[in-house]
Formats: sequence, C-alpha cells, structure tokens
Amino acid sequence: SQQGEEDPQALSIQEGENATMNCSYKTSINNLQWYRQNSGRGLVHLILIRSNEREKHSGRLRVTLDTSKKSSSLLITASRAADTASYFCATGDTGANSKLTFGKGITLSVRP
Amino acid sequence: DAMVIQNPRYQVTQFGKPVTLSCSQTLNHNVMYWYQQKSSQAPKLLFHYYDKDFNNEADTPDNFQSRRPNTSFCFLDIRSPGLGDAAMYLCATNLAYTDTQYFGPGTRLTVL
Repeated sequence: SQQGEEDPQALSIQEGENATMNCSYKTSINNLQWYRQNSGRGLVHLILIRSNEREKHSGRLRVTLDTSKKSSSLLITASRAADTASYFCATGDTGANSKLTFGKGITLSVRP
Repeated sequence: DAMVIQNPRYQVTQFGKPVTLSCSQTLNHNVMYWYQQKSSQAPKLLFHYYDKDFNNEADTPDNFQSRRPNTSFCFLDIRSPGLGDAAMYLCATNLAYTDTQYFGPGTRLTVL
C-alpha cells in the first residue's frame, strides 16, 4: 500500500519564487527521500533525511522531517524553469534491501 | 560514467504476446529493483534481487517474472501482457545497506 501522500498534487509558480511541497506518511520509517522525475524519464535522487534528523540542506533544497506528525516538507528556493518536474517522496525501511515506498507525486511547473 | 541502462526505451507489444525488458548497470550494486509506474501514479515495487536472492512483492501478479543472470543484468519478463500492464517500467539499483536508489530512464510499454 502507498506510504507517502504528497500535497499539493500540482503546483505552479513563477521563476524565482520558492516552492514548498509536503509529504505525509503512515508508519514508522528509517529515512525519507525525495526524488525528481522529468517527464517520461527515470527518477533522480535529490535528498535523504534520516528519522533522527530534523532538517537537511543541499544547494537550493531544504528538507524537514517531523516524525511526531509523520510529515516532511521539501523547499526549493529561487526556482528555475528547469525545476519543472514531478517530485516524489519515498519512505525507506532498514535492512540489506532498503525498499522504498513512493507517494503519488507532485507536479511542479515553474513559469519563465 | 557509471549508470543504469534500460533497453528498449519504448516497447510495443500485442495483447498476450510475451515481452522482455532489460536492465543493466555498471555500478556493481548487489541489489536490483523493478518498479511499475502507471500514468500519474506512484512507482510500485514489483520485485527485487539481493545478489541472486529473488524477492517478490506479495501483490505482484504471476504474469511478471524476473531473471538476474549476473550482477550487471536483470530482466523483466511479462508472460502474457494485458492492456492493464501498459506502464513505465523502472529499474533501480543500490548497494546493500545503503538507502539511495539509482534509477534507469525507464521503458515505456504499450500493449495493443
């Protein structure tokens, strides 16, 4: 069954604005990851946050995790047209085969 | 560059005609995954290999099989494709006990 639920389902912003995407999940996790998917392509890993972390940064990306609320947010600052893509959160479990359970994704459109 | 390669990128088959999708990787990762992603949906894990150990998800139909002849290659066989099997099929890899998965570009399967 699906673990992550992203919201909003679609987001349209102007270039230069910040984009905030949220993800909620249901069960305990080892880590939460965000992936990007350009139209008709595979997924690209963006950032990972572990269950004992609250915030991480990578370039223009900032991810937060609130395990008490079972939620995460991804902030993309100073968005660019090239950020237009679908964004998925995925929860990971522990073990040798760290299976991921993906949400349905958020479609982000950045207008030039 | 080390990468995950999927062939073909687009596959058209007829209803009921067996089809094989291919994935290869130069990352020397010991875990390989196959996901099915239908339009505007989350990627759904079908099965994965940890080295030669095959792990099937409980809800993966029997119509889907997989082979991993060596570390580098993994195949997805669909024995009798139905119209509902039309989807993007994504291959991913990772090193055991690490969390980030590396995805190929996907194979878009059309069933006529």
